[in-house]
Amino acid sequence: DAEITQSPRHKITETGRQVTLACHQTWNHNNMFWYRQDLGHGLRLIHYSYGVQDTNKGEVSDGYSVSRSNTEDLPLTLESAASSQTSVYFCASSYQGTDTQYFGPGTRLTVL
Amino acid sequence: GENVEQHPSTLSVQEGDSAVIKCTYSDSASNYFPWYKQELGKGPQLIIDIRSNVGEKKDQRIAVTLNKTAKHFSLHITETQPEDSAVYFCAATLNNAGNMLTFGGGTRLMVKP
Repeated sequence: DAEITQSPRHKITETGRQVTLACHQTWNHNNMFWYRQDLGHGLRLIHYSYGVQDTNKGEVSDGYSVSRSNTEDLPLTLESAASSQTSVYFCASSYQGTDTQYFGPGTRLTVL
Repeated sequence: GENVEQHPSTLSVQEGDSAVIKCTYSDSASNYFPWYKQELGKGPQLIIDIRSNVGEKKDQRIAVTLNKTAKHFSLHITETQPEDSAVYFCAATLNNAGNMLTFGGGTRLMVKP
């Protein structure tokens, strides 16, 4: 079955370290998204991509970057992790031209 | 940009009762409104959605209503069951905005047996 996976599911890191969260989907979706989820804020968009080599900033993109070298993967990198980036991160994907987004299981990141 | 507010933040109901969650949005051009259910330890899953050319949509025990004039939409769950306990999120987007969703803050629904 097609699916969307995230790894790792849990990560603890230290302030200042570079961290990369992986997202992989097997639906061949053009669109991919990264959100962070914090209590009281719902889900906020970090970065998104409409296809290979395309990346765009979302509402809360400072301190994060993404790259899209193939259709299946959109890794999220925290260049220098900060305690304010402690959160649960969700990846999502959708077909081009459609609205329904399919979410991964999430990665809980703790920055000490 | 779009702003979506969701109320209440927590809701506790007795099994069998109805639950209603309300959302308001700011951009009158928004025309797609999905609702997601998030169970503990999992990612959000779409449960129902509505477009601006429709006032109400039902799917078994779940219904969504939309009032474009007032810019608000609501999720109605009838005959609640313990398995309905979860966090529910509303969202809004422009159909031509490349699928970028703006989410509400979420509602934690607890159904007491």
